[in-house]
Amino acid sequence: QKEVEQDPGPLSVPEGAIVSLNCTYSNSAFQYFMWYRQYSRKGPELLMYTYSSGNKEDGRFTAQVDKSSKYISLFIRDSQPSDSATYLCAMSTSKAGTALIFGKGTTLSVSS
Amino acid sequence: SQTIHQWPATLVQPVGSPLSLECTVEGTSNPNLYWYRQAAGRGLQLLFYSVGIGQISSEVPQNLSASRPQDRQFILSSKKLLLSDSGFYLCAWSVPTTVETQYFGPGTRLLVL
Repeated sequence: QKEVEQDPGPLSVPEGAIVSLNCTYSNSAFQYFMWYRQYSRKGPELLMYTYSSGNKEDGRFTAQVDKSSKYISLFIRDSQPSDSATYLCAMSTSKAGTALIFGKGTTLSVSS
Repeated sequence: SQTIHQWPATLVQPVGSPLSLECTVEGTSNPNLYWYRQAAGRGLQLLFYSVGIGQISSEVPQNLSASRPQDRQFILSSKKLLLSDSGFYLCAWSVPTTVETQYFGPGTRLLVL
């Protein structure tokens, strides 16, 4: 079983839709959960960062972590064509010096 | 504010040639530095990370090497490139003693022919 699993998509939605992106993981030691957005041919950009379980909201974006189910989600409300990108989940344990473990990314396309 | 630079942006190299990719960070001291490779369909693969000058940890055995000659400079090298070295190389940094929030550079696209 891979440490982090993420459906690669592609996911296509119309403008204004609510988008749900998800990752599952197997390592119960993960405590830090991140979402990165990567536009084509660019470096990933940190979008959301959550520690342990719970929700975090930033504008149109909401990150959810359910450690009991080993499942994290990113919701995008009122999606825009500019949200079209690949979304990568990432996670790490609390031990400094250990690596971030990334999902392979989900490609999202928002059509106007 | 902090910024991270990578160069070159694009590189086409023949098999067997050497490689040197450079990454520099501005606006922070003693950052943790990372080299990743992103190949199509494979996600982000951590190659090397460094917590200080001259301190390099390798995550994947291969024909690549990394060096950190200065606090905010990280170099990825190879003596002889292989076809399988083609990919998108990303440098990232995080604040000292943490790893959870990493910030990426613009990347170098390498094509080995």
